[in-house]
Amino acid sequence: AQKVTQAQTEISVVEKEDVTLDCVYETRDTTYYLFWYKQPPSGELVFLIRRNSFDEQNEISGRYSWNFQKSTSSFNFTITASQVVDSAVYFCALSEDTGGGTSYGKLTFGQGTILTVHP
Amino acid sequence: NAGVTQTPKFRILKIGQSMTLQCAQDMNHNYMYWYRQDPGMGLKLIYYSVGAGITDKGEVPNGYNVSRSTTEDFPLRLELAAPSQTSVYFCASSAVKGKLFFGSGTQLSVL
Repeated sequence: AQKVTQAQTEISVVEKEDVTLDCVYETRDTTYYLFWYKQPPSGELVFLIRRNSFDEQNEISGRYSWNFQKSTSSFNFTITASQVVDSAVYFCALSEDTGGGTSYGKLTFGQGTILTVHP
Repeated sequence: NAGVTQTPKFRILKIGQSMTLQCAQDMNHNYMYWYRQDPGMGLKLIYYSVGAGITDKGEVPNGYNVSRSTTEDFPLRLELAAPSQTSVYFCASSAVKGKLFFGSGTQLSVL
């Protein structure tokens, strides 16, 4: 069975600090996808990134970066120079790839990390 | 494009009542999903659909039913509501190999 663990329940930082959100996953599949979603106070989940299991390159998008390490089954998310608008709940998620595209939305979510950025 | 639209946003039910949560998307996505989010927890998949007329159970389907008569709509039916169904419900859609687009959620309380 798949499992996603976000060990940090809550993180509190001051604006401009860097912060890393940890995500560890378990799966028996050799092909799978990892995701990060952001849930701001408005409640709607917003897609941030999708990474497949064959692509271990780190990715950077503005102040966001992701570190995927298959050897440790981790997919960590770093926000550089955090801002108040980054305050949200962040979810890491995993889906297996059973082919045909049907698996992409059958996500297993972690419990989420509440990030609070203080001015 | 409105994206994924869910109604209602809030609802209070009495134990034993029934209701339907509505979900519509205008992106012509084949895949649609219903998730529930309990406090302090991640989302859990209730049901999903790969196209009109085709639905399947997710991780927590008990107490729910779905139908998919059109590509656009994917309503979730709660029969005989129970306090354990108090949750926030999210509908989502996706294209093949695409990211999920979520609705804004329905907050349901069963008292």
